Amino acid sequence: DAGVTQSPTHLIKTRGQQVTLRCSPISGHKSVSWYQQVLGQGPQFIFQYYEKEERGRGNFPDRFSARQFPNYSSELNVNALLLGDSALYLCASSTGTGEAFFGQGTRLTVV
Amino acid sequence: GDSVTQMEGPVTLSEEAFLTINCTYTATGYPSLFWYVQYPGEGLQLLLKATKADDKGSNKGFEATYRKETTSFHLEKGSVQVSDSAVYFCALSEFTSNTGKLIFGQGTTLQVKP
Repeated sequence: DAGVTQSPTHLIKTRGQQVTLRCSPISGHKSVSWYQQVLGQGPQFIFQYYEKEERGRGNFPDRFSARQFPNYSSELNVNALLLGDSALYLCASSTGTGEAFFGQGTRLTVV
Repeated sequence: GDSVTQMEGPVTLSEEAFLTINCTYTATGYPSLFWYVQYPGEGLQLLLKATKADDKGSNKGFEATYRKETTSFHLEKGSVQVSDSAVYFCALSEFTSNTGKLIFGQGTTLQVKP
């Protein structure tokens, strides 16, 4: 069975640009969560979506947004990129409140 | 708010040594507790979990016991291998939010030398 897939794997953007990251959950999983992992730190919760509705939001500015599609895949959008947005962005899928399975992540570098 | 604190690394051990990585938490209610492992260049993999007090999670020789009285969930392994070299994250699942949100510690790097 395919696990959680994220694309792209690596990305380089310039300050002020916008970026879209994509995530496909495990088949049958209706929940997708996004995390930001800055180098040397633990992941920080950004969003959770369940059945296409936002269920939770972490302490991130409005430049961060997300959505979930009818097939339960998800996109994370970040506008007006800052150097501090450089991080590994992780997507996790679950059945809802059960065990979370993580993808390999998207490494975003803002220059 | 809820939080997780792990011992700072890196932890450097020789092969077959005993491993302990300390983890303590602060939480409202009764969270579930997890250990995740991250190998270089990869995402997170669930190593083990415990959902209530006194539960012991175990996997691949690793163990951790949910201690409510000391608010701890220390990770142990009796004999480490070079292949165990990775970053280990302790995490809790917020009990009150019903979002499944995970709160992670800062991670502990383990280096095992032959």
